[in-house]
Amino acid sequence: SQQGEEDPQALSIQEGENATMNCSYKTSINNLQWYRQNSGRGLVHLILIRSNEREKHSGRLRVTLDTSKKSSSLLITASRAADTASYFCATQLVFGAGTILRVKS
Amino acid sequence: GAGVSQSPSNKVTEKGKDVELRCDPISGHTALYWYRQSLGQGLEFLIYFQGNSAPDKSGLPSDRFSAERTGGSVSTLTIQRTQQEDSAVYLCASSPETGPNTGELFFGEGSRLTVL
Repeated sequence: SQQGEEDPQALSIQEGENATMNCSYKTSINNLQWYRQNSGRGLVHLILIRSNEREKHSGRLRVTLDTSKKSSSLLITASRAADTASYFCATQLVFGAGTILRVKS
Repeated sequence: GAGVSQSPSNKVTEKGKDVELRCDPISGHTALYWYRQSLGQGLEFLIYFQGNSAPDKSGLPSDRFSAERTGGSVSTLTIQRTQQEDSAVYLCASSPETGPNTGELFFGEGSRLTVL
């Protein structure tokens, strides 16, 4: 069964707004990763956060991890139309169902 | 250097036929993963190879599915007696790390399989 579960399933925002996606998982982890997928093909790695970290930044991305709640969030600030894609969290071997983000210009 | 290469990019086959999907990982990457993604869905783990260790086959959905990795490099995913529910994009990823999902996965563009 899938460990990672993202919410919302879909998110539509205006360019310039922030987008927040959440992920929950079920078992203990070494790290949690976020990936982006365009057009249903290959995934691109965005950021990895280790189990002993609580927050990590990369450009316009901010990831938080709460191991006590087994949850993580991905925040994209000042969104752009080019951020339109599906976003997945991954723990161990398992990926979640993803959040489809649409940024309207 | 080259990324993960998968072939064929698209494959259309008839129900009951066997298909082989190929993955060329990034040179030097010891870990190789196969995932399946049905339309509009998340990624379903299939199999994981790490160096010369026995592969983790726990995600293979049935005995019609098998995979091998020759010489610790190229991998082939074989689906025998294909069914319509096997239609999906099959994604391969490799990683230089030595444990499952301990580091970044580098994905190929996938092989889209359509079973008629």
